[in-house]
Amino acid sequence: NFMLTQPHSVSESPGKTVTISCTRSSGSIASNYVQWYQQRPGSSPTTVIYEDNQRPSGVPDRFSGSIDSSSNSASLTISGLKTEDEADYYCQSYDSIISVVFGGGTKLTVL
Amino acid sequence: QVQLQESGPGLVKPSQTLSLTCTVSGGSISSGSYYWSWIRQPAGKGLEWIGRIYISGSTNYNPSLKSRVTISVDTSKNQFSLKLSSVTAADTAVYYCAREPPSGYFDYWGQGTLVTVSS
Repeated sequence: NFMLTQPHSVSESPGKTVTISCTRSSGSIASNYVQWYQQRPGSSPTTVIYEDNQRPSGVPDRFSGSIDSSSNSASLTISGLKTEDEADYYCQSYDSIISVVFGGGTKLTVL
Repeated sequence: QVQLQESGPGLVKPSQTLSLTCTVSGGSISSGSYYWSWIRQPAGKGLEWIGRIYISGSTNYNPSLKSRVTISVDTSKNQFSLKLSSVTAADTAVYYCAREPPSGYFDYWGQGTLVTVSS
């Protein structure tokens, strides 16, 4: 099995752009799709990116996803930060489509 | 609009079996090629996938929990269930049920239910 490592926390000012990384410990990041979930306090997670870079309907295009094989990592980028973006963000992928793996989560503070 | 709702005891004694049910509304659990998953989150910590079931009854479990987990489905009630045996305080968490389409992400989640393991 592999691990997905995220920074514990990131912070940025409103209107700026922030990028959250998700590094896969073994195996290629490109071998299985990466998803990103947003979780506000007291709420269930919601998907902001699926299949590496796809946005579900209703998710603003300020949210974008990418993968980088050279660093074996995925990234979630949020541009034009709003205070409502303050939340925990989790990346998720699969181990051979059998087992689901979540990253440890990143707390985004918009200050 | 699909909705999922977890239900079950909020308090379980150590060494006993935790049992939860997820009721799906707004659509048939049998329609489409969906997996139905359980995920948990201890207070202040991250998400941990427990396992999933397909409508055929086939299951996949988190290797770290596999020996204690059973997930089943009841299509007549539009429900799927989780049983986790020999629980300890480390199993105290909010438990979520979620739908997983073939594209491979969790598109619908329940609101979550807190289960505390304590004597």
